[in-house]
Amino acid sequence: DTEVTQTPKHLVMGMTNKKSLKCEQHMGHRAMYWYKQKAKKPPELMFVYSYEKLSINESVPSRFSPECPNSSLLNLHLHALQPEDSALYLCASSPGQGYSGNTIYFGEGSWLTVV
Amino acid sequence: KQEVTQIPAALSVPEGENLVLNCSFTDSAIYNLQWFRQDPGKGLTSLLLIQSSQREQTSGRLNASLDKSSGRSTLYIAASQPGDSATYLCAVRPYAGGTSYGKLTFGQGTILTVHP
Repeated sequence: DTEVTQTPKHLVMGMTNKKSLKCEQHMGHRAMYWYKQKAKKPPELMFVYSYEKLSINESVPSRFSPECPNSSLLNLHLHALQPEDSALYLCASSPGQGYSGNTIYFGEGSWLTVV
Repeated sequence: KQEVTQIPAALSVPEGENLVLNCSFTDSAIYNLQWFRQDPGKGLTSLLLIQSSQREQTSGRLNASLDKSSGRSTLYIAASQPGDSATYLCAVRPYAGGTSYGKLTFGQGTILTVHP
């Protein structure tokens, strides 16, 4: 099973709303990632969690708040977003730091529209 | 700063053709290179991963090569089919450790259309 599951698939939220995106994997991976992808652009890294600790924050605005409750789950909490934050949010996972052959597996993404 | 370029940006071919997608990167200090496929509105599907010490990887009709010293990788698709139509992305990963771990740098992608 090489599946990364993301929910919801689509989310529409107002600029004053608070919502969360969820990601789950059961491959025993210890590194999990959030990427953001705008239309017709490649994905851009937002956050990396390694062994449930935040290891990379790519200077993401604080209105995006990641959380890793355990090694299988990754959340992205959203608050006071702007319309320009509308994008496809991709979760990914890989075996972990120090492992060679470190294929990164992506989920299907959550389409976010901020109105 | 690593930069990844993919050529061509778009490619339209008839079914059955063999084709080559190109990826180049500016910093040869990479950990590995991964090729992905993305269907419209969907996530990324990993196709092949090549470690920095490897020269090529094969999976079915796909073959990816890596020349790290010249900063190039190619994805060869044999006997193309309409179902191969998608955007193909290459991504390089820097050496693990420090603050660079897990940070894939993607190319802009090649949009492939295979006509029946």
